[in-house]
Amino acid sequence: GIQVEQSPPDLILQEGANSTLRCNFSDSVNNLQWFHQNPWGQLINLFYIPSGTKQNGRLSATTVATERYSLLYISSSQTTDSGVYFCAVERMNYKLSFGAGTTVTVRA
Amino acid sequence: DAGVTQSPTHLIKTRGQQVTLRCSPKSGHDTVSWYQQALGQGPQFIFQYYEEEERQRGNFPDRFSGHQFPNYSSELNVNALLLGDSALYLCASSPTRTSGRASDEQFFGPGTRLTVL
Repeated sequence: GIQVEQSPPDLILQEGANSTLRCNFSDSVNNLQWFHQNPWGQLINLFYIPSGTKQNGRLSATTVATERYSLLYISSSQTTDSGVYFCAVERMNYKLSFGAGTTVTVRA
Repeated sequence: DAGVTQSPTHLIKTRGQQVTLRCSPKSGHDTVSWYQQALGQGPQFIFQYYEEEERQRGNFPDRFSGHQFPNYSSELNVNALLLGDSALYLCASSPTRTSGRASDEQFFGPGTRLTVL
């Protein structure tokens, strides 16, 4: 099956800092989503981005499908940005394959 | 607009027992997928239901089974529970994949946390 690798595994930030999370995948995909999992386990949709660039407030994402990677940018981080960020991809088979996640800790 | 809902929130069972988890999809969605998330890991796909049939299945044993009802809600059943079945079980819904659309965004419910003692 398709392999999804996220880096870094852990990220510690000072409030106000910027950061970049990376997601590499092993094959062409028709769906790529970024999620933020809160401490209660809820997966919150951040971006549905099979290709191109999107922005939503302080968050933005870019997927370069031909090179099989996606980047999630967090600007001016806040303590509420803490949590686990997951990248998930789908390759024409209806199921999402998740990476292991990046755990982000933002310190005040 | 109601999102994906799941019940119960938490559940404690003992080894060998059976459990049923429930999911109602987001309004306008007719496809339901189930995922298992062990502690410290990413979610793993169990199976997907569409038109009341299992359309796709991940690498899970037959102890895991499901059902989809005419109103698109779904159940996940796990028989002969093992300690290793302790996990967060997540339900996701998505709309019908109409002609010309290669994929659709999936939306997740809050999950059911199952503990097997």
